[in-house]
Amino acid sequence: NAGVMQNPRHLVRRRGQEARLRCSPMKGHSHVYWYRQLPEEGLKFMVYLQKENIIDESGMPKERFSAEFPKEGPSILRIQQVVRGDSAAYFCASSLQREGRGKQFFGPGTRLTVL
Amino acid sequence: KQEVTQIPAALSVPEGENLVLNCSFTDSAIYNLQWFRQDPGKGLTSLLLIQSSQREQTSGRLNASLDKSSGRSTLYIAASQPGDSATYLCAAGGQAGTALIFGKGTTLSVSS
Repeated sequence: NAGVMQNPRHLVRRRGQEARLRCSPMKGHSHVYWYRQLPEEGLKFMVYLQKENIIDESGMPKERFSAEFPKEGPSILRIQQVVRGDSAAYFCASSLQREGRGKQFFGPGTRLTVL
Repeated sequence: KQEVTQIPAALSVPEGENLVLNCSFTDSAIYNLQWFRQDPGKGLTSLLLIQSSQREQTSGRLNASLDKSSGRSTLYIAASQPGDSATYLCAAGGQAGTALIFGKGTTLSVSS
């Protein structure tokens, strides 16, 4: 059973470009979470999704960031018009049960660098 | 608002020592407490998950305890090895269905 998969592992973008980060949850998991780890900071929750639904986006910046988890395919975290402050490691996690009830399994992360 | 604190921020020990990592949280209404390991430039590996109704969990040389009333959890590592060198993160799962709240971690270095 493959773990949580994220791609790309490393992404370099210039200011103003778009970044698309992909996450495939573990087989059978329908709950996906995105976290961001800024340099010298802890992991911060961004968004929690189930298939075709955003459940909690309280940690998402109000502008330029969006997330989806379609019926088919991976979850996508999209950052429009990236700025240098978006440089961070973005982690995806999945769980079998809704948050708070199940163990979350984390992917290897996507390290975004904005030039 | 839940806040999670880990002390110390960094720890260096010689191989073979037993050690304790500390985690404290401000809101005792948690659903679970999870300990993770993160190697440099890598993702997170889940080590132990303690449900709010439990007091401790054990896996090999690792033992994690949870005291909700005092807002504390500890991760005990027995007979430390150089391969244990990593950053250890604790995270609180909120009862209201909020996502995991992480501490900033303790970076452990075990010398041979």
